[in-house]
Amino acid sequence: KQEVTQIPAALSVPEGENLVLNCSFTDSAIYNLQWFRQDPGKGLTSLLLIQSSQREQTSGRLNASLDKSSGRSTLYIAASQPGDSATYLCAVGDRGSTLGRLYFGRGTQLTVWP
Amino acid sequence: DGGITQSPKYLFRKEGQNVTLSCEQNLNHDAMYWYRQDPGQGLRLIYYSQIVNDFQKGDIAEGYSVSREKKESFPLTVTSAQKNPTAFYLCASWTGATNEKLFFGSGTQLSVL
Repeated sequence: KQEVTQIPAALSVPEGENLVLNCSFTDSAIYNLQWFRQDPGKGLTSLLLIQSSQREQTSGRLNASLDKSSGRSTLYIAASQPGDSATYLCAVGDRGSTLGRLYFGRGTQLTVWP
Repeated sequence: DGGITQSPKYLFRKEGQNVTLSCEQNLNHDAMYWYRQDPGQGLRLIYYSQIVNDFQKGDIAEGYSVSREKKESFPLTVTSAQKNPTAFYLCASWTGATNEKLFFGSGTQLSVL
């Protein structure tokens, strides 16, 4: 069964810092990896989706990379802002599972202070 | 305005009671999912449905039931057999293989009285 781990569990940084969130998964037979953002008491918003054939995706200040062979992904946030404060979740779509079914990590809770 | 609507936002269950969480989508997606989220935990799959009138158990289906009579609707019933139902419940739908994105509702917080 696919296991997804996110490090660190929590991160607190001053505004303006560049930061990296880490995600690792145990089975490299994935068809995609998604990063989500979750605000307290809310649903999840998809930030970036990387197909298994891709190495990275970028959206604004966000960049996500994927190394399937090592079972790792990183989410890079440039010039962090207080509005970036949220929990960031990594999820993988497993080739051995039903399409659309994702395995989630526990998330990294990010706080960006002014 | 397309999206997924979950209701109610907050729900309280008494001992021995069954409660039903609503999930409606107008995105024309075939596949829908129910996840449970506990504090500090990742999301765990309860049930999913890939097409109308068909659904499958996920990893933690015991104590839950679902139906899929319409494409737009995928209600989740938390039965009295679920002994630890307090959690945040999230419904999602999937765009399909061309886009592969998962869209989530805003969630229902279920608590036990």
